[in-house]
Amino acid sequence: GIQVEQSPPDLILQEGANSTLRCNFSDSVNNLQWFHQNPWGQLINLFYIPSGTKQNGRLSATTVATERYSLLYISSSQTTDSGVYFCAVEVMDSSYKLIFGSGTRLLVRP
Amino acid sequence: GAVVSQHPSWVICKSGTSVKIECRSLDFQATTMFWYRQFPKQSLMLMATSNEGSKATYEQGVEKDKFLINHASLTLSTLTVTSAHPEDSSFYICSARDGLAYNEQFFGPGTRLTVL
Repeated sequence: GIQVEQSPPDLILQEGANSTLRCNFSDSVNNLQWFHQNPWGQLINLFYIPSGTKQNGRLSATTVATERYSLLYISSSQTTDSGVYFCAVEVMDSSYKLIFGSGTRLLVRP
Repeated sequence: GAVVSQHPSWVICKSGTSVKIECRSLDFQATTMFWYRQFPKQSLMLMATSNEGSKATYEQGVEKDKFLINHASLTLSTLTVTSAHPEDSSFYICSARDGLAYNEQFFGPGTRLTVL
């Protein structure tokens, strides 16, 4: 099956710093989503980005489908950005299944 | 974005009992719903795909008689953990997709199950 790898696994930032999270996938995909899991476990949709670049406030994402990777940029990080960031890819069949990466655990210190 | 609810948020039960978890899409019709399981400090593992009006499709290694899934309407799917045991303790999360207004999946807040 498809493999989804995220890096780095853990990241500690000082408030105000910028960071880049990476998601590599081993096969062609229909779609890709980025999520933030807050301390209570809720997954919050950040981006639905099968290809191209999107921006939403301090966050932006880029997916290069032909090279099988996606990047999530966090600028001017805040303590509320802490949590786990997951990318998930939709396999290229009719099932619409999402396969999750192992996540990047981010801690932003004040 | 679309809203998905889950109930209950948390449940504690005795070993051997059954527990039902509900997943509802509140402002859209979900033709497909998914159930995931997450252990502490781990990623989400897909358990099954639930399509309205048809039998669920289970991932390899997931016991379908243990985890009963019903998707009786376009807004409701239920997961019943039958004869629960301590090893079933986990965080269960559902997601929903309608494929019309939204191609992306939206997730419920999760249900934390503890089996004593």
